[in-house]
Amino acid sequence: GQQVMQIPQYQHVQEGEDFTTYCNSSTTLSNIQWYKQRPGGHPVFLIQLVKSGEVKKQKRLTFQFGEAKKNSSLHITATQTTDVGTYFCAGRTGNQFYFGTGTSLTVIP
Amino acid sequence: DTEVTQTPKHLVMGMTNKKSLKCEQHMGHRAMYWYKQKAKKPPELMFVYSYEKLSINESVPSRFSPECPNSSLLNLHLHALQPEDSALYLCASSRSPSGVTYNEQFFGPGTRLTVL
Repeated sequence: GQQVMQIPQYQHVQEGEDFTTYCNSSTTLSNIQWYKQRPGGHPVFLIQLVKSGEVKKQKRLTFQFGEAKKNSSLHITATQTTDVGTYFCAGRTGNQFYFGTGTSLTVIP
Repeated sequence: DTEVTQTPKHLVMGMTNKKSLKCEQHMGHRAMYWYKQKAKKPPELMFVYSYEKLSINESVPSRFSPECPNSSLLNLHLHALQPEDSALYLCASSRSPSGVTYNEQFFGPGTRLTVL
């Protein structure tokens, strides 16, 4: 079954509000990647984290990889309508590679 | 060229038909992937090709048959599919499988398959 869970499943925010999605794995991950998929589109790579406790920033986006390499988070500051889409984490454990269940973000103008 | 192309964009087929999905990349990537994505669900990995050899088959039914003719092309041959196989089929590529980590994957736009 699905080993990488994300919460929340859905999130509606007012434009300008912050947004966070959390990714949790039942097993230790070699790395964690984040992808964004716009409605009707395909996943687009955002970032990869490899080291325990790693934090990376891309403009308004902040990504964290947990100390135990079992969880990760994506935080968006001051959301914009262009942030709309589904955010997936994805990671490898052993020979398995899983996408998380995804968080669908809606931004209300 | 940082694009992965897939054809066709849409495909409707009957359960007795044989069809093929095609994927192409010219980024020099040596790993290519097939994923299946149902509506409102995450992509599910089906197959991984590493240096043109099948390295991972995620217990996919034999009615799906992958083929990698060369380092730029990836096909997925479909035969005797079921209605529940209707989904978006995504192709992706990455630089190489690179040891224990998967590199950044570039996805194509997908083929939306409907099985009647």
